[in-house]
Amino acid sequence: GQQLNQSPQSMFIQEGEDVSMNCTSSSIFNTWLWYKQDPGEGPVLLIALYKAGELTSNGRLTAQFGITRKDSFLNISASIPSDVGIYFCAGQLRNNNDMRFGAGTRLTVKP
Amino acid sequence: DAGVTQSPTHLIKTRGQHVTLRCSPISGHKSVSWYQQVLGQGPQFIFQYYEKEERGRGNFPDRFSARQFPNYSSELNVNALLLGDSALYLCASSLEPPPLTYEQYFGPGTRLTVT
Repeated sequence: GQQLNQSPQSMFIQEGEDVSMNCTSSSIFNTWLWYKQDPGEGPVLLIALYKAGELTSNGRLTAQFGITRKDSFLNISASIPSDVGIYFCAGQLRNNNDMRFGAGTRLTVKP
Repeated sequence: DAGVTQSPTHLIKTRGQHVTLRCSPISGHKSVSWYQQVLGQGPQFIFQYYEKEERGRGNFPDRFSARQFPNYSSELNVNALLLGDSALYLCASSLEPPPLTYEQYFGPGTRLTVT
């Protein structure tokens, strides 16, 4: 099926460090989105990407839509303790109305 | 402004029972989607509704059904509950359906436990 492979599964970093995570697929996606989920809450939209090669920033977050349309990455610069949570990539398949999610990257930031 | 609201927040049911989960979208949003999130995994798409019509369906059995009302709120129904239906059920709303927009805003979810 059209799975999204998200890596790494988990990361343990020191406050102030930069973070990078990515999503890959064997299928082509029209849209890539990145969400953050805190315990007991629903995912919160961070960044949406619509064009191959697009690079978009939201504060300390930067995400890119891969040129092949099959991958995306998310970078977080100068991490802070409130960055802790699970980050999900999600993609909208071409000619399909549903959204596919990766399994998530669990980020832990040590003060 | 109120975000997406879901009720109830938690629910415990017995195998074989049925359940109804409710969702109110953000004011002005006409599209609602439902997702199932099993512990340790990403959300999995169940249904998408727009203007009371089903616009998308994920790979879930017919025990799962949903509907959208004229005020754009929505219900998800699950019949003949199985232990494997235990999960966080998320509702997400958007202004318009895909492909007009793919930016969805999630509610806090309903935690369903089937015993």
